[in-house]
Amino acid sequence: QVILTQSPSASASLGASVKLTCTLSSGHSNYAIAWHQQQPEKGPRYLMMLNSDGSHSRGDGIPDRFSGSSSGAERYLTISSLQSEDEADYYCQTWGTGIQVFGGGTKLTVL
Amino acid sequence: QLQLQESGPGLVKPSETLSLTCSVSGGSISSSDYYWGWVRQPPGKGLDWIGSISYSGNTYYNPSLKSRVTISADTSKNQFSLKLSSVTAADTATYYCARPIRGQAFDIWGQGTMVTVS
Repeated sequence: QVILTQSPSASASLGASVKLTCTLSSGHSNYAIAWHQQQPEKGPRYLMMLNSDGSHSRGDGIPDRFSGSSSGAERYLTISSLQSEDEADYYCQTWGTGIQVFGGGTKLTVL
Repeated sequence: QLQLQESGPGLVKPSETLSLTCSVSGGSISSSDYYWGWVRQPPGKGLDWIGSISYSGNTYYNPSLKSRVTISADTSKNQFSLKLSSVTAADTATYYCARPIRGQAFDIWGQGTMVTVS
């Protein structure tokens, strides 16, 4: 079964860029994933789908400050020009036949 | 624009069955290629997939919950539902209904409903 691994926390300064990582377990490096954002006290919001070749499609209304890329079993979410409202938990998610899996989430602090 | 809204009791007693409904507006739950799912989040913890149902009625459950979960759809009401039996305090969580587009990425989420088992 596929497992997604995320670092528990990350931080970056206002106006800077940050790159969050989601790692697919062995044997699943060709899987696509999705990235979701969860701001404090809110529900999750879909950011994008990210394929193994790095191509990605953002959800409706998601600014192009959010971008995705891939390398092997790693899937990345890059947020540029960090704003205070980007301080949130970020979850990656993938799927297989009849199953959905979430990573443990990364808490991003904007300094 | 498709919208999802959860409803159901906010408090459930231990050993009883948790029942939630997700009302879908702006689209039909029986549309081809549409799937519908439930995700929960215990206080202070991450997201956990509970299960999903396809447009054709096929169901898929998290193996860790499979023995206690039933997801069903009512096309006449454009709703789908979650039943979780024999609940304990560990089932206390915010429950979200969501749409996994083509059974893949959850691209639309409800606002969530908090359920306490006590």
